[in-house]
Amino acid sequence: GEDVEQSLFLSVREGDSSVINCTYTDSSSTYLYWYKQEPGAGLQLLTYIFSNMDMKQDQRLTVLLNKKDKHLSLRIADTQTGDSAIYFCAESNNNDMRFGAGTRLTVKP
Amino acid sequence: DTEVTQTPKHLVMGMTNKKSLKCEQHMGHRAMYWYKQKAKKPPELMFVYSYEKLSINESVPSRFSPECPNSSLLNLHLHALQPEDSALYLCASSASGGSPYQETQYFGPGTRLLVL
Repeated sequence: GEDVEQSLFLSVREGDSSVINCTYTDSSSTYLYWYKQEPGAGLQLLTYIFSNMDMKQDQRLTVLLNKKDKHLSLRIADTQTGDSAIYFCAESNNNDMRFGAGTRLTVKP
Repeated sequence: DTEVTQTPKHLVMGMTNKKSLKCEQHMGHRAMYWYKQKAKKPPELMFVYSYEKLSINESVPSRFSPECPNSSLLNLHLHALQPEDSALYLCASSASGGSPYQETQYFGPGTRLLVL
């Protein structure tokens, strides 16, 4: 089946940039998403990118998509302690939506 | 208003109980979803309603029964659950319902369910 993979953990210092990476296998993906989940809470849509784009920027968030390599990344500039959470990458096509296992971002003061 | 609300926030039930989870959105979205999320795992799709009709059922046991009374409301009726059904149940919605996977989904905060 098709997969979405992410590294499980990332630790950064407050004020540094965080880069969370994701790879996927489905070449028919049309949308790619980043969701944030804080402990005990639901998923918050952070941003999404159409598969025909290669970059999207929204305030501190930058999404880069390399469609050839099927690689998606989320960069958080000036990471704050409030950014500590699990970040899920997801992709969808006509028939399905798949989530990665989530990357737990820990921000140290 | 991009909010999806879910009630209750927490629910504890015995294996013989009948309970319902509720989800509501007022964004005019025509597709609504139920997901189940176990701890430290990604969400797993259970059901999709498109224009108030069940369009996708991901082989979910019959002890989970979804209902979409109108375009703003989605219920999940629970009966005779097992302890392994304990999880966070997430509701989501998306705009047109024509091709649910083609659209951005907005998630609610979830109901944390514990089955004893």
